[in-house]
Amino acid sequence: GESVGLHLPTLSVQEGDNSIINCAYSNSASDYFIWYKQESGKGPQFIIDIRSNMDKRQGQRVTVLLNKTVKHLSLQIAATQPGDSAVYFCAETHSNDYKLSFGAGTTVTVRA
Amino acid sequence: DAGITQSPRHKVTETGTPVTLRCHQTENHRYMYWYRQDPGHGLRLIHYSYGVKDTDKGEVSDGYSVSRSKTEDFLLTLESATSSQTSVYFCAISESVQGHEQFFGPGTRLTVL
Repeated sequence: GESVGLHLPTLSVQEGDNSIINCAYSNSASDYFIWYKQESGKGPQFIIDIRSNMDKRQGQRVTVLLNKTVKHLSLQIAATQPGDSAVYFCAETHSNDYKLSFGAGTTVTVRA
Repeated sequence: DAGITQSPRHKVTETGTPVTLRCHQTENHRYMYWYRQDPGHGLRLIHYSYGVKDTDKGEVSDGYSVSRSKTEDFLLTLESATSSQTSVYFCAISESVQGHEQFFGPGTRLTVL
């Protein structure tokens, strides 16, 4: 089976609210984690990444949190906008591997 | 899409026919990947390349072959297409040996009847 997975396949969010997308991973050897966004009809787009020696990393309106104790990764989107509607994937890899393992994805729908 | 094109963008073919999908990049990145995307499975790696003429299998390589004769082109061939290979195929590139920041192409939707 897959080593990376998401807790919920869908998430509906009111515009302006914060979104939290969760991901659980099972491979404790993974030391690098990435979030991708995929809009309808397009390829996945890199959002943000985090290394296993970090607990938190912030970008523009996004924050990724990593809890290695429970093997949990989350993506927080502040002030969700209609353009944030997409499928979000977490992915993991190890430093000496150039392949990514992707989770199944969470579909985020933003309500006006 | 970071200088990555895929052709064709859409294709309908019949079971048993060979199909070749092309990925072309203008970024001069060393690493190239082919994924398939199916509902409920996310992206699964088919084959990847770590240089010209250097390729290796991913997790779902059965029924697929690849070739990379130039840095910019990575071809995926379905030797004898089956209905189970109906999918959306994505090419990705990376310049990092760790491959974490992969840039994806727009995808090819393949239907095998």
